Amino acid sequence: QSVLTQPPSAPGTPGQRVTISCSGSSSNIGNNYVFWYQQLPGTAPKLLIYRNNERPSGVPNRFSGSKSGTSASLAISGLRSEDEGNYYCAARDDGLSGWVFGGGTKVTVL
Amino acid sequence: QVQLVESGGGVVQPGRSLTLSCAASGFTFGSFDMHWVRQAPGKGLEWLAVIGHNGSNKYYAKSVKGRLSISRDNSKSLLYLSMNSLTTEDTAIYYCIIYGSGTLGFDYWGQGTLVSVSS
Repeated sequence: QSVLTQPPSAPGTPGQRVTISCSGSSSNIGNNYVFWYQQLPGTAPKLLIYRNNERPSGVPNRFSGSKSGTSASLAISGLRSEDEGNYYCAARDDGLSGWVFGGGTKVTVL
Repeated sequence: QVQLVESGGGVVQPGRSLTLSCAASGFTFGSFDMHWVRQAPGKGLEWLAVIGHNGSNKYYAKSVKGRLSISRDNSKSLLYLSMNSLTTEDTAIYYCIIYGSGTLGFDYWGQGTLVSVSS
């Protein structure tokens, strides 16, 4: 059971906007930055969004992050077939003195 | 370019010990905190441990505390993870990760090394 809660799947059609939620608590999301990682099939995870809503260089602006209270979300606009993979949210957890992840959301392009 | 190459994985019997290594290159290794994260087959990500840039501060996930030890050799740009009393639940891909002082997140991940605990 992951500390952060994500839906297991998020299907979409090409060009559609898909949103993935991430729910936590005051000890993690509520008081710390949220990060999103993209893991394409057979590859290592890659930083997609940092500090709630910032994109590393090279990440398309189709990807955006937001945070409100103890929840966060990742939006993918203009969904493309190469976006298929698993997406994980993460945050520091003050109570656990470490980092926690969501269980991951599988994005499928129909 | 930045490279993180993990090694030391393989098949190990329950109850035994194992040490993983991560060879870093393409950046000033001694300036960055480093983490280990693992992923069981078909499962999500689990944070394990962090070590400060000079090796003085170490923190562990409560689920593995006491069985894992993180260390580093900045003169050789090497990161280590020692694990003991292995069980089948330790079967996973183990990733070493650079912690970004700017992003405050896991900036770059190695390709991982697979540890399989089986009799």
